[in-house]
Amino acid sequence: GAGVSQSPSNKVTEKGKDVELRCDPISGHTALYWYRQSLGQGLEFLIYFQGNSAPDKSGLPSDRFSAERTGGSVSTLTIQRTQQEDSAVYLCASNLDTFANTGELFFGEGSRLTVL
Amino acid sequence: AQSVTQLGSHVSVSEGALVLLRCNYSSSVPPYLFWYVQYPNQGLQLLLKYTTGATLVKGINGFEAEFKKSETSFHLTKPSAHMSDAAEYFCAVSDTGRGADGLTFGKGTHLIIQP
Repeated sequence: GAGVSQSPSNKVTEKGKDVELRCDPISGHTALYWYRQSLGQGLEFLIYFQGNSAPDKSGLPSDRFSAERTGGSVSTLTIQRTQQEDSAVYLCASNLDTFANTGELFFGEGSRLTVL
Repeated sequence: AQSVTQLGSHVSVSEGALVLLRCNYSSSVPPYLFWYVQYPNQGLQLLLKYTTGATLVKGINGFEAEFKKSETSFHLTKPSAHMSDAAEYFCAVSDTGRGADGLTFGKGTHLIIQP
C-alpha cells in the first residue's frame, strides 16, 4: 500500500477482554515496529520484526502482550485480559531495510485503545 | 543506555515568531538524532535527521536543527512560526542505528501557535 495502514483506528473494550490490533506495513518493508503512546509519556518501544528473524520482544510490558507477523508482512498485536492501564495509542511503523540505511520510520496513524 | 530529554511539554509562540524546541540526549557513542512531528490524529512524520557530516540539518517545512556534541543537544528551530506548525514534536535518538534497539523518544513537546 501507499502507507502504513492500521486497524481499527479506535477500539473501546471492557476490562478483561482480549483485543487484536492490525498493522499492514508499506509493501516491501522488511522491518516492522510496534510502539505504545500514552498521554504525556512519549513513545514506548514494544516489539520489532526484521524479515524472517526472531522478533525482538524486549519491550513488551507483560505476558498479556504478544505479536506476530505473517508472511513477513501484516502484523497483529494481541493484548489479552486488557487492563485500564493498557489504554493508549498503539503505533506501528515500518522501514525498508535496517534503520540505519534510511534513518526513517514510516508510521501508521495508530489504533486508539480505550479500556473501560 | 540512551535517553532523550525534551524541555517543556508545552511551548507557545506567536505566529511569525521564532520557534525553539529543546532536546538533550545521552548516548555512549555518537548518536543518530531525529525530530518527528505528529499532527492531531495522525502518525509520526520525520522532520529531519542527523547521522553524520554537517551538524546543521535542514528539514521539511522550514525547520532545522543543529547537533552540538559538546552540549549533547539537538534543538529544533524555525525562524517564523505558522499556524500550521501547531503539533506535537518528538526528539529521538539511536546509538546503534539498528532496528532492534530502535529509537528512544522524548516525551514530546506540544507546540501552540498564538494568532
